[in-house]
Amino acid sequence: KQEVTQIPAALSVPEGENLVLNCSFTDSAIYNLQWFRQDPGKGLTSLLLIQSSQREQTSGRLNASLDKSSGRSTLYIAASQPGDSATYLCAVELYNFNKFYFGSGTKLNVKP
Amino acid sequence: DGGITQSPKYLFRKEGQNVTLSCEQNLNHDAMYWYRQDPGQGLRLIYYSQIVNDFQKGDIAEGYSVSREKKESFPLTVTSAQKNPTAFYLCASSPGQGKDYGYTFGSGTRLTVV
Repeated sequence: KQEVTQIPAALSVPEGENLVLNCSFTDSAIYNLQWFRQDPGKGLTSLLLIQSSQREQTSGRLNASLDKSSGRSTLYIAASQPGDSATYLCAVELYNFNKFYFGSGTKLNVKP
Repeated sequence: DGGITQSPKYLFRKEGQNVTLSCEQNLNHDAMYWYRQDPGQGLRLIYYSQIVNDFQKGDIAEGYSVSREKKESFPLTVTSAQKNPTAFYLCASSPGQGKDYGYTFGSGTRLTVV
């Protein structure tokens, strides 16, 4: 079974700081990796999807990279803002299995 | 706009009662999923369906049941056999196996036992 770990579990930074969230997984035979944002009491919003043939994706101030061989993905947030405060979850899909396994998330607090 | 609709947003269940959570999507996705989220924990897969009239158990299926009679709909029933049903329930869909488009989630249903 795929195990997905996110470190740190919580992070508090001042506004404007660049930061990195980490995601590691035990089975490198993954198909897709997806990063989500979850606000308190809400559903998950997709941020970035790294497809099977890709190594990174960018959207605005967000950049996600994927290294299958080492079982790691990072989400880089540039120039953080208080509105970025949320829980960030990564999910990996095993190759051709069409099920995603989730990490427990990193709870980010960006202080004004 | 296409998306996933979950209802109700809040649901209260009495001891020994079955309740059904609704999930409807208009994305024309083949696959649908139900996850459970407990405070401070990641999402755990309850059931999933990759095609109409077929579904599979996830990691925590005991005490739950589903049906997939229509492509658009994937209701989840929390039965009286589920001893600790209080949680946040999330429904998701994806285009299907082997397609590079990831998951789309609904806004969730919070179930509380009273």
